Amino acid sequence: SQKIEQNSEALNIQEGKTATLTCNYTNYSPAYLQWYRQDPGRGPVFLLLIRENEKEKRKERLKVTFDTTLKQSLFHITASQPADSATYLCAPGYSGGGADGLTFGKGTHLIIQP
Amino acid sequence: DTGVSQDPRHKITKRGQNVTFRCDPISEHNRLYWYRQTLGQGPEFLTYFQNEAQLEKSRLLSDRFSAERPKGSFSTLEIQRTEQGDSAMYLCASSPRGTYGYTFGSGTRLTVV
Repeated sequence: SQKIEQNSEALNIQEGKTATLTCNYTNYSPAYLQWYRQDPGRGPVFLLLIRENEKEKRKERLKVTFDTTLKQSLFHITASQPADSATYLCAPGYSGGGADGLTFGKGTHLIIQP
Repeated sequence: DTGVSQDPRHKITKRGQNVTFRCDPISEHNRLYWYRQTLGQGPEFLTYFQNEAQLEKSRLLSDRFSAERPKGSFSTLEIQRTEQGDSAMYLCASSPRGTYGYTFGSGTRLTVV
């Protein structure tokens, strides 16, 4: 069955450093992968989408890579700030073919310490 | 554009009662999704609409769950004969045609006592 693995434990990073979160998937051949941020008691907020033919995508301090050989995506936050503390979710997806409800990983809880 | 709205934000109900949640998506979005999320878990897909057509239902969606999207606008999710295991955050999301990120609402937190 399809499986998505994200860092199961909380990730503590010192303010100003780069935070790197990992998303590994098995039994998938996704056409794209999405990353979301979720704060307690709120719905997820879309951050970035990277397609299978893209190696890297950037948005301000965020960078996502997608390695279809390793079946892995890395999510980087550079110059991290305490306000970046949240849970980050990855979601591999498929395009076309009609129904395409995303499957989400459990998320990684990121804590940026001042 | 006020985003995706969900109502109510919180619902406490007794076991065995029926509950109904409403979701108002972004008006230009033709795709609407329902998810369920429990503490420490990622959102679990429940069902998906493209306009008014319900195109996919998860195996998680038992016969007690039903969803509608009349006229392709707002959607409702009804849970009949609620059980304690139904306690969760119910999230609605919408997206435009094509491959885009989802816009989620703030969710409805259901507590079954």
